[in-house]
Amino acid sequence: QVQLVESGGGVVQPGTSLRLSCAASGFTLSNYGIHWVRQAPGKGLEWVSVISYSGINEFYTDSVKGRFTISRDNSRNMVYLQMNSLTVEDTATYYCAKDLQQLVPRPTLLLDHWGQGTLVTVSS
Amino acid sequence: EIVLTQSPATLSLSPGETATLSCRASQSVGIFLAWYQQKPGRAPRLLIYDASKRATGIPARFSGSGSGTDFTLTISSLEPEDFAVYYCQQRSNWPPVTFGGGTKVEIK
Repeated sequence: QVQLVESGGGVVQPGTSLRLSCAASGFTLSNYGIHWVRQAPGKGLEWVSVISYSGINEFYTDSVKGRFTISRDNSRNMVYLQMNSLTVEDTATYYCAKDLQQLVPRPTLLLDHWGQGTLVTVSS
Repeated sequence: EIVLTQSPATLSLSPGETATLSCRASQSVGIFLAWYQQKPGRAPRLLIYDASKRATGIPARFSGSGSGTDFTLTISSLEPEDFAVYYCQQRSNWPPVTFGGGTKVEIK
């Protein structure tokens, strides 16, 4: 079955960096776009980024543009989110999620399988 | 950025009753509106996409309607496992993809 497992979260100080990982199994990762969505404690969902199945296209929400970078290594069945210049506003549980349709040039932006999330806490 | 406003914030109902949740968009999203369910400590689950299409494995008691700026998620005959938070999401005008603030359906 489809499984996504996030890792790499933790407690970091403002201004520092962190790299999150998303390990995929149970499907052909290289055929699907993958998203990162975050949820601040007790708050709603916020879409962060998506990478197309080919890795050619990346998109970001404005608040992370220039600070976060999404990437993928299909040979390792992994997707990453490099987060730099972290601020307290980045504190959240970060989920990776699979796009609904495979092999489409633009992701459908429908997230049909999600991991359980990894908590990132930015605090001094 | 398209803003999605969900109402009510909380809905208190008993099992067996019908839940009606609303999502209003700040501008037209056509039919590109989806609904997700999230239970405490769990990841969200896709329920409805393109306003009215049920995702794989979603029971028929979940239905969606609407177009343009006004959308509704209806849960007929609430089951105990349906008490959760529901989010709407638009994919019409992006980036960014945006979510509504959520509606909590709680047991009365």
